[in-house]
Amino acid sequence: DQQVKQNSPSLSVQEGRISILNCDYTNSMFDYFLWYKKYPAEGPTFLISISSIKDKNEDGRFTVFLNKSAKHLSLHIVPSQPGDSAVYFCAALNAGNNRKLIWGLGTSLAVNP
Amino acid sequence: KAGVTQTPRYLIKTRGQQVTLSCSPISGHRSVSWYQQTPGQGLQFLFEYFSETQRNKGNFPGRFSGRQFSNSRSEMNVSTLELGDSALYLCASTRDPAGNTDTQYFGPGTRLTVL
Repeated sequence: DQQVKQNSPSLSVQEGRISILNCDYTNSMFDYFLWYKKYPAEGPTFLISISSIKDKNEDGRFTVFLNKSAKHLSLHIVPSQPGDSAVYFCAALNAGNNRKLIWGLGTSLAVNP
Repeated sequence: KAGVTQTPRYLIKTRGQQVTLSCSPISGHRSVSWYQQTPGQGLQFLFEYFSETQRNKGNFPGRFSGRQFSNSRSEMNVSTLELGDSALYLCASTRDPAGNTDTQYFGPGTRLTVL
C-alpha cells in the first residue's frame, strides 16, 4: 500500500524550461513533506520541504506547492539545468508520535542541454 | 564538517550468511535511521535509533536488527541472508528528533549483493 505516490517514473525536459514533478499521498495525517534529490552512487540529499500549514515554499529555483484538499504536492524547478538531472523523491511525515518518513518511489528527471 | 559515512560501500555475500553494516553520523547528530532501497519498492524504513535505543521500527522481519553505540555510531545486521536482501542500504542522521521535522542527512549507502 503506497501511501506516497510518484506516478511518473521518469521525466525529460529541455534546459531552461520548467520541470514539474508530482506527488500524491493518501494519508491525511501527513503534515510535513520533503523533496530529496539523489544522484547515482550517492545518498539522497535534502532539497526543500513544506509544512501542511502552507501551500507554497520557495527556495531559489525550487518551489514546492501543496494542495491539501487534493492530497497533492508538486516540485517546480525553473529554469531547469543539466545538473538537475537526478532522481527526485517525495517523502511525507506524520509529525505526531509516528515519525517514520514515508517515501515515494522517485521520479528520474533528465534535463537535456 | 564530515558527512554521514557508511562502510563498507560494496559487499557481496551468499545466501545464508550474515552481514554487518556500519554508519557514522554527522558529529553532534544523535539520531540514526536505516533504509533499504530497491528499484521496485523505493526507500523502505528499517529502524531508527536515538540515544542507543530503538525508537521506531519498520515492517521488516527479525533477521534485520540494529544497534547504536554511545558515540551515536550505528550498525545494522542482517542474518540468514536471502536473495531479496540485495539492495542499497542507506543510513541517515539527524541532529535531534525532538523537532519532528528535522532534516535527515544521508550517507552514500552500502550496496549489498546476495548471490
